[in-house]
Parts: sequence; structure tokens; C-alpha cells
Amino acid sequence: GENVEQHPSTLSVQEGDSAVIKCTYSDSASNYFPWYKQELGKRPQLIIDIRSNVGEKKDQRIAVTLNKTAKHFSLHITETQPEDSAVYFCATPAYNLFFGTGTRLTVIP
Amino acid sequence: DVKVTQSSRYLVKRTGEKVFLECVQDMDHENMFWYRQDPGLGLRLIYFSYDVKMKEKGDIPEGYSVSREKKERFSLILESASTNQTSMYLCASSFSQGPTEAFFGQGTRLTVV
Repeated sequence: GENVEQHPSTLSVQEGDSAVIKCTYSDSASNYFPWYKQELGKRPQLIIDIRSNVGEKKDQRIAVTLNKTAKHFSLHITETQPEDSAVYFCATPAYNLFFGTGTRLTVIP
Repeated sequence: DVKVTQSSRYLVKRTGEKVFLECVQDMDHENMFWYRQDPGLGLRLIYFSYDVKMKEKGDIPEGYSVSREKKERFSLILESASTNQTSMYLCASSFSQGPTEAFFGQGTRLTVV
């Protein structure tokens, strides 16, 4: 399948700190870079995505940055809150939608 | 609101049984997907379909088959269930003009005993 590597697998931060999760992909033709959040016992939901014609996109406390040269894109969460605790997945930009292995983020109050 | 609905939330089946997991979406999406989710392994793609009667293998198709006779319905079939197929199964759908956002069902937790 499509190769997408996600790091780290687990991440613990203090409330108010920032969190960064990174994904590396292999397909140079990729043009869509999504991030999904899965809260405990719930289904994954898209939280932010970016197209390849921009380098960064922000939505309140979350942002996604894209480095096409290095073939990686990152999720940034600032001023983390306990409700940010969840598993986060990146996905390949291809139509067949392969996901990374996930990052379990824990925000410690 | 997009709705992707899986037929069962929990299932318990015996080894060797033929198992059907059903998924229905109401947004006229062309693409539909089946994943299994296991701790530490993320969401692994089993099969996907980009049109009625069309299917492609994902990363882990062995032991599974799929059926898409109607656009809104995508079925995952375990031909002969085994204990190593105990898992959470998630269905998703999306438009083909894209790639675009995928919408997930609530999941089916299958236990094979």
C-alpha cells in the first residue's frame, strides 16, 4: 500500500503546551493532506486538511504545515487542552486513503 | 449531515462462520472503504470500492471479500471467520472528485470465539 509514516506513536504534554505530530509520505504527485482525530470510543473525524498549493493552514488552535520537498506534513496544536486528548491520524493524499499508524496524544491537566 | 451506518455495533461469531458486515451511506458517495483497527496498528485498509461492482485490495485483504451491488451499500465478508480477525471494523465513504474528506461509520466490534 501507500507508504505513510507517522511519528511519534505517543505524546504527552502539559495543558497549555504545544504538540506536533509529523507524517512522511512517498508519492510525489500527492496534493491533499488530511488529519483525523479519533476520541475514545468514537469514529475518526477530519479536523484539518491542506492542498499542495499552500504551505500552511490554520484553524484556531490547530494548524497543518506542508513541506513538499521533504515530503512531510505536520499537525500543530497550540495551547493544548484536556479535550485534545485523542488519537490523531494522518492519511495519504491518494484516493485510496491509507492511514498512518496514529499518535495517541495525552494532555495532562 | 452525512450518515455512514454500520449494521451492528457488536458481533460475536464462532470460528469458521461466514460473517457479513454491512455499511450504508446516504450521501451518494462513489468511494467506500473497509478498515480494521487494532491497538498500535492504526487503521489498516482491507478493501475499497470506487464504483458499483468495482473493488480494489488494500493492505490486508487476505481472508476477506467485499460486495458492492448498489452505490450506497458496501459489504465486508469474512468467508471463514478466525480468531485473528477479532477486531474493530470501520467503514468510510467519500466523493471521488478529490481526494476529499472521508466520513466514517460508528464501527463494528467483532469477536470471533
